[in-house]
Amino acid sequence: SQTIHQWPATLVQPVGSPLSLECTVEGTSNPNLYWYRQAAGRGLQLLFYSVGIGQISSEVPQNLSASRPQDRQFILSSKKLLLSDSGFYLCAWGGGFNIQYFGAGTRLSVL
Amino acid sequence: GESVGLHLPTLSVQEGDNSIINCAYSNSASDYFIWYKQESGKGPQFIIDIRSNMDKRQGQRVTVLLNKTVKHLSLQIAATQPGDSAVYFCAERANTGNQFYFGTGTSLTVIP
Repeated sequence: SQTIHQWPATLVQPVGSPLSLECTVEGTSNPNLYWYRQAAGRGLQLLFYSVGIGQISSEVPQNLSASRPQDRQFILSSKKLLLSDSGFYLCAWGGGFNIQYFGAGTRLSVL
Repeated sequence: GESVGLHLPTLSVQEGDNSIINCAYSNSASDYFIWYKQESGKGPQFIIDIRSNMDKRQGQRVTVLLNKTVKHLSLQIAATQPGDSAVYFCAERANTGNQFYFGTGTSLTVIP
């Protein structure tokens, strides 16, 4: 069966520090991978999606970047965090065009 | 981007009653819709989906209705239970890409 791993679960970082969140998927190959951000009490905002290794599409201009160095690995990064980067970050994978599986999320607090 | 919104941000229902959560979408080209349930501090969990060539789909205690004429989607939960308390999101996919767009969510509270 397919599983998705996302870590860390919580993270507290100072403003200006770098960020690296990792997401890995097991049990499937060539998945579509997604990074979302969720502000408190809000819906999910799509940040990046990837249909294959090295292929990244960005939905909104921002302080973040994404990379997909391996088929089942998706990384969200920042060189210098801003206060506004705080939020709940979710990784998801979809087979074909269907998102059905989300990771447990990373709650990021930038102080 | 897409605009997916929900009519009611909060909903309280008595245990055992039926719940109806509504969602409006703006892109008539959307061809696929999903309802998710998100419990506090967790990632969204898939509940049920429906394609644009259908009007209704039923699952276990849940039914999704799609009205393409008015671009409206609803989730009906039968015999609501305390474990159904969560935030419910609808998501739409435009037939032009791989992206899904989510509404802001409805918080459902089940009163025992």
